[in-house]
Amino acid sequence: QVVLTQSPSASASLGASVKLTCTLSSGHSSYAIAWHQQPPEKGPRYLMTLHSDGSHTKGDGIPDRFSGSSSGAERYLTISSLQSEDEADYYCQTWGSGMVFGGGTKLTVL
Amino acid sequence: DVQLVESGGGLVQPGESLRLSCAASGFSVSANYMSWVRQAPGEGLEWVSVVYSGGNTHYADSVKGRFTISRDNSKDTLYLQMNSLRAEDTAVYYCIMTAPTLQIAYWGQGTPVTVSS
Repeated sequence: QVVLTQSPSASASLGASVKLTCTLSSGHSSYAIAWHQQPPEKGPRYLMTLHSDGSHTKGDGIPDRFSGSSSGAERYLTISSLQSEDEADYYCQTWGSGMVFGGGTKLTVL
Repeated sequence: DVQLVESGGGLVQPGESLRLSCAASGFSVSANYMSWVRQAPGEGLEWVSVVYSGGNTHYADSVKGRFTISRDNSKDTLYLQMNSLRAEDTAVYYCIMTAPTLQIAYWGQGTPVTVSS
């Protein structure tokens, strides 16, 4: 079964950029993933689907500041020009026999 | 516009049952992958169950044999029948639609379930 690994926390300054990482388990480096954002006390929102070649499709209304990239088993979410409302939990997710979620990364905007 | 609206959550005692509903608009539930995902207080997202566009269903081991996912195509509504509820089932339950191409997804706003005596 595929496993997704994320760092528990990350931080960056207002206006700066941050790159979050999601790592696919061995043997699953070709898998596409999705990124989801969950602001404090709110429900999740789909951000994008990211493929192994780095191509990605974003959800409705997702700003250009959010982009994705890939390298081997790593999937990245880059957020540029950080704003206060970007402070949230970010989850990566893929498909096995059902949905598989990473543990999430809590992003703090300083 | 695509919208998912969950309902049916509440407070129940251990061993009791509850049925959650997720009313969809702007798309057909039968043409997409429809899942339930839950989030216990202070925890991350946990997948619960999925019904694929072809009708196949899958469950997380933690709910297998107790929960049943179903859909009513005529009403574009997804359901989750939860039986033999336990304290560890306490969570906010979200429904999520994923297109079969996996290129888009939409979440509902969630409905809270509390299992406590």
